[in-house]
Amino acid sequence: GAVVSQHPSRVICKSGTSVKIECRSLDFQATTMFWYRQFPKQSLMLMATSNEGSKATYEQGVEKDKFLINHASLTLSTLTVTSAHPEDSSFYICSARDSPQRVEQYFGPGTRLTVT
Amino acid sequence: AQSVAQPEDQVNVAEGNPLTVKCTYSVSGNPYLFWYVQYPNRGLQFLLKYITGDNLVKGSYGFEAEFNKSQTSFHLKKPSALVSDSALYFCAVRENTGFQKLVFGTGTRLLVSP
Repeated sequence: GAVVSQHPSRVICKSGTSVKIECRSLDFQATTMFWYRQFPKQSLMLMATSNEGSKATYEQGVEKDKFLINHASLTLSTLTVTSAHPEDSSFYICSARDSPQRVEQYFGPGTRLTVT
Repeated sequence: AQSVAQPEDQVNVAEGNPLTVKCTYSVSGNPYLFWYVQYPNRGLQFLLKYITGDNLVKGSYGFEAEFNKSQTSFHLKKPSALVSDSALYFCAVRENTGFQKLVFGTGTRLLVSP
């Protein structure tokens, strides 16, 4: 149980285009989803937290107009990188939690974004 | 603010030997502590957590961690390392307010040699 999937696993896009990454909870309802970014050989940096049906809460320094997060249902959150640039190339990981009382977060397998 | 520190960028150990990956924490209130493992180009896999109770927590794949309140530490241990344990290990603490998000350490790369 408690499986989180991400799609795509890898994506290459051209500079200036937008790319959407999906995060799904497969066997539970995710009231809260988190989006992380990880640079090579570095830790996970939280980008934003989203609750179903609400606007995402972004961490300081994260451009909300560039990284659009939608959490429209209890099983799906999307991250759209708009007007991507090479510096946006990174490993993006989502995680989900089924209730605020739940301690655990369940992580997706990650999406490798390369912007050329 | 809650934080965790992983003082070692890398730990090297021979297969069959015991391993320890260090983590210290700084929290206000009772800590909720976690260990995760990450294999190349993969997401994080949960290993174990400490919420309350016994200071020695047993987790997946033979790993365990010892919560030490006086030393504010939560070191990850395994009695006998396997080559397949080679990966990136993250210690994390959960914040007690707001979204109760996880705050991660910088990670420690474990290399187990045959």
